[in-house]
Amino acid sequence: AQSVSQHNHHVILSEAASLELGCNYSYGGTVNLFWYVQYPGQHLQLLLKYFSGDPLVKGIKGFEAEFIKSKFSFNLRKPSVQWSDTAEYFCAVNVKAGAGSYQLTFGKGTKLSVIP
Amino acid sequence: NAGVTQTPKFRILKIGQSMTLQCTQDMNHNYMYWYRQDPGMGLKLIYYSVGAGITDKGEVPNGYNVSRSTTEIFPLRLELAAPSQTSVYFCASSSVDRGLYEQYFGPGTRLTVT
Repeated sequence: AQSVSQHNHHVILSEAASLELGCNYSYGGTVNLFWYVQYPGQHLQLLLKYFSGDPLVKGIKGFEAEFIKSKFSFNLRKPSVQWSDTAEYFCAVNVKAGAGSYQLTFGKGTKLSVIP
Repeated sequence: NAGVTQTPKFRILKIGQSMTLQCTQDMNHNYMYWYRQDPGMGLKLIYYSVGAGITDKGEVPNGYNVSRSTTEIFPLRLELAAPSQTSVYFCASSSVDRGLYEQYFGPGTRLTVT
């Protein structure tokens, strides 16, 4: 079964610092990759996604992620974080589960705290 | 569109009680999902459905049941609540038409079993 690893449980940054959150997955076939964000007390929202094509994908709010197939990685980046980026970030992998169905497997999440 | 809606927002149950968590989507998505979220554990898939009348188990189905009589509604049933089912439950939906695999999430139901 596929799995998703997020290396950092909690990251604390000052405003304007650069961000990189690691995500590695274990699945040898074709994958669709996602980053979701969960602001305090809210539900998950899609930040960005990769299906195919350019491995550098840009999402909302200045986030981007790079798919490196050889490293099974899909790291999330932002050049300059803001206090409003304080949230929990989840990496997820969508693979075909059989009979036309798909299953999304989530990492355990990385909590980001941005200090003003 | 309201998207994915869930009721109730909060609920406290006593051990052994039963309840149904409601989930509705108005996007005509054929896929629907139930997850539970526990602190530091990410989201775990409980059950999913690929269309009306079709459901299947996810990673952590024990203690839960689902049904999908229509495209729009996908309730999650807890028959005999246990403290281990204290969690936040999220319903989600998606469509694979035209390669749209992203999932849209509801606001969640926070359940406490004591």
